Amino acid sequence: DAKTTQPPSMDCAEGRAANLPCNHSTISGNEYVYWYRQIHSQGPQYIIHGLKNNETNEMASLIITEDRKSSTLILPHATLRDTAVYYCIVRVGNRDDKIIFGKGTRLHILP
Amino acid sequence: GAVVSQHPSRVICKSGTSVKIECRSLDFQATTMFWYRQFPKKSLMLMATSNEGSKATYEQGVEKDKFLINHASLTLSTLTVTSAHPEDSSFYICSARGTGGLTEAFFGQGTRLTVV
Repeated sequence: DAKTTQPPSMDCAEGRAANLPCNHSTISGNEYVYWYRQIHSQGPQYIIHGLKNNETNEMASLIITEDRKSSTLILPHATLRDTAVYYCIVRVGNRDDKIIFGKGTRLHILP
Repeated sequence: GAVVSQHPSRVICKSGTSVKIECRSLDFQATTMFWYRQFPKKSLMLMATSNEGSKATYEQGVEKDKFLINHASLTLSTLTVTSAHPEDSSFYICSARGTGGLTEAFFGQGTRLTVV
């Protein structure tokens, strides 16, 4: 079972920052927060992951609360191509763990 | 990131026939590969995990005799849907994880299977 809770859908205006929340209140100390997205009819794409510090890469920023029970994925300047389902997943992040997908958030970028 | 390629991207087959889907890691060696299926407007459901050179581990409720998985090399895994039926029509996605310190998994582009 997925260990995260996400809103089923969100809208964001093109050019604005998209902030996608995720609750993971039962996260263990050795589990990372991973984000993936799936554009329609494609395989999932890795976005970013973090343990407890905030992370940023060329695609997005990840903000993790101090108690690690929730996080927010930020797409700083959303474009129409960011329309996708975004999945927040907690996992140990070693070579043996499985990636179990929850229902994700369907993000609509509005022109 | 690393590239995982699936083939074919789309396939249509008749009921009762078998169809094979290939998953290749193009620029890294994949010790572990995962197979998922996805129905329309639903999330990905993990079917099985395969490690190179050993038998696949199937998730509960997945028929291992129907969905044959072979991971014979470090760059190739195959999923064969045997005696396909219309209810097997789905989007099948593979994921591959590399060796050593590479813990990230990369996904193929998916295969749309339609059984008529």
